[in-house]
Amino acid sequence: GQNIDQPTEMTATEGAIVQINCTYQTSGFNGLFWYQQHAGEAPTFLSYNVLDGLEEKGRFSSFLSRSKGYSYLLLKELQMKDSASYLCAVRGFSGGYNKLIFGAGTRLAVHP
Amino acid sequence: GAVVSQHPSWVICKSGTSVKIECRSLDFQATTMFWYRQFPKQSLMLMATSNEGSKATYEQGVEKDKFLINHASLTLSTLTVTSAHPEDSSFYICSARGAILSGNSYEQYFGPGTRLTVT
Repeated sequence: GQNIDQPTEMTATEGAIVQINCTYQTSGFNGLFWYQQHAGEAPTFLSYNVLDGLEEKGRFSSFLSRSKGYSYLLLKELQMKDSASYLCAVRGFSGGYNKLIFGAGTRLAVHP
Repeated sequence: GAVVSQHPSWVICKSGTSVKIECRSLDFQATTMFWYRQFPKQSLMLMATSNEGSKATYEQGVEKDKFLINHASLTLSTLTVTSAHPEDSSFYICSARGAILSGNSYEQYFGPGTRLTVT
């Protein structure tokens, strides 16, 4: 089966660092994605990991351990505009297709 | 970057009517398109996957006769919600994937979503 777990909500202070964890169990694995979604809008791509290790892109970094079925998204120098939902998604192979399956999302609230 | 558009962005319809939502890839050919549904404060749930020129593959629990998907060309897919009911009210998001390399994978691009309200 497919199972992707991430915390429901997190809060953090402006300027701080926050780490959002994601664990997964999926049929096949062909990459893990992190998306940011503001309320009422479509998700926007943040990062992609297919090999173990850390991928850094500006204030955002994402880590993957395939053996542990674990990833995290690290947000540095938090800004108020970072308040959003962060979606962990795994691309797995099922029913003849590569499919992107989403976790429930983590709602991050950044406070002054 | 690649752009995916959806039309309409929002629609209100009466119970029992049908609604068609269009999804277009504007600057690339989308070999595969995905339709997701998202209820308030929940994540995206994959409804179906379609490849151009073939029948869509629906996820378990999604009624294919109620949610008709047509992927007639490499730039257009449509989702028709037939005989809509209030419980079908949701945010519908399409996503397209084509022969564009991003990093080591074919990236999936999302449309802006369509908010459907059935009264």
